[in-house]
Amino acid sequence: DVKVTQSSRYLVKRTGEKVFLECVQDMDHENMFWYRQDPGLGLRLIYFSYDVKMKEKGDIPEGYSVSREKKERFSLILESASTNQTSMYLCASNPSGTGGSGSNQPQHFGDGTRLSIL
Amino acid sequence: AQTVTQSQPEMSVQEAETVTLSCTYDTSESNYYLFWYKQPPSRQMILVIRQEAYKQQNATENRFSVNFQKAAKSFSLKISDSQLGDTAMYFCAFLGGGGTSYGKLTFGQGTILTVHP
Repeated sequence: DVKVTQSSRYLVKRTGEKVFLECVQDMDHENMFWYRQDPGLGLRLIYFSYDVKMKEKGDIPEGYSVSREKKERFSLILESASTNQTSMYLCASNPSGTGGSGSNQPQHFGDGTRLSIL
Repeated sequence: AQTVTQSQPEMSVQEAETVTLSCTYDTSESNYYLFWYKQPPSRQMILVIRQEAYKQQNATENRFSVNFQKAAKSFSLKISDSQLGDTAMYFCAFLGGGGTSYGKLTFGQGTILTVHP
């Protein structure tokens, strides 16, 4: 079974802090994703990566950055945390399809990190 | 851009009964995929069922089946013989076809389903 592991289940930080959320997958997937989940809004894509050192903005990238130095690890960074970034953060991965970029394979998700910014 | 709408924020059903969750979407694409994911209180998102738009036959996985109406852009999930373990948040998700999607999903708002004993 695919395992996507997020480093923290719960995290409390203060406004202005630099926050790192880590995600590791063990199935050699090319694509990795960061979402935030808020009540009534579903999941919204923050950033995704389709290869090492490659990243693309999702629908709500403002206030976030990402890093992918190794294929299995995808980090989400809040450069200066603010209270409106209090949310549930979910990491996911899936393999690329044939030809590289396309993929119709289901995403596999981590258990989520509930982040509170005080 | 695609949009996915789940118009039922909450649903409830008695154990052993059948319940249908609604999902509509908007796209100009002709080739795409649709998914239902389940998120129980433990928070692990689990794939329930998947439908490929070019297949006319509705997907089925044990007690879970879909009613896919391509012209109406509707993709509802039917859960038969509901069990207490079906209690969860259910998300409908859209994946556009084509070479540069990288598997990016667009999610609906979610429906909280509660199964009562």
